[in-house]
Amino acid sequence: GQNIDQPTEMTATEGAIVQINCTYQTSGFNGLFWYQQHAGEAPTFLSYNVLDGLEEKGRFSSFLSRSKGYSYLLLKELQMKDSASYLCAVRDSNYQLIWGAGTKLIIKP
Amino acid sequence: GAGVSQSPSNKVTEKGKDVELRCDPISGHTALYWYRQSLGQGLEFLIYFQGNSAPDKSGLPSDRFSAERTGGSVSTLTIQRTQQEDSAVYLCASSSAGRFTEAFFGQGTRLTVV
Repeated sequence: GQNIDQPTEMTATEGAIVQINCTYQTSGFNGLFWYQQHAGEAPTFLSYNVLDGLEEKGRFSSFLSRSKGYSYLLLKELQMKDSASYLCAVRDSNYQLIWGAGTKLIIKP
Repeated sequence: GAGVSQSPSNKVTEKGKDVELRCDPISGHTALYWYRQSLGQGLEFLIYFQGNSAPDKSGLPSDRFSAERTGGSVSTLTIQRTQQEDSAVYLCASSSAGRFTEAFFGQGTRLTVV
């Protein structure tokens, strides 16, 4: 079966750095996506990775290792507004999006 | 349109009634997804359309749930004989055909069955 695993919840301090991990087993691979979802809102796109390595976009970076079925989202200089759920998704060989359950990130002052 | 549009944004219905939820994807997007999300939970996959066909209906929780998509555009999710456990936010997303294109979400329909 297809599976995506991410931690259920993480806590970090304002101004610090946090890394959210995602491991996957899917039928084929056509890209990995990270989304942010604030409570009561729809998910919004953050980043995608198609090749191994690090993609940087401002305070957010995402890393992919296809051989290990592993990705992480790195958030730097945390702000209170970064408190949200972070969803990892993989597009499989049928172009279906397979979603993790999301990681709830709590930022403390 | 500019984004994925869902209607209604909120729906309160009596147990046993049928409901129809509508999703209007971004123009030109061939892939369309329906998800269900309960409070504080992750996305529960329901169905995926590529054009008008549904390669994957595996997520529909029961035969009370059905979905269709006509003209490769608007999709309707129908829930018959609603039950209280159907209460959730129903999210629709669409994406274009490119390999590495992201999906865009609508704001969802909050369904409450009383």
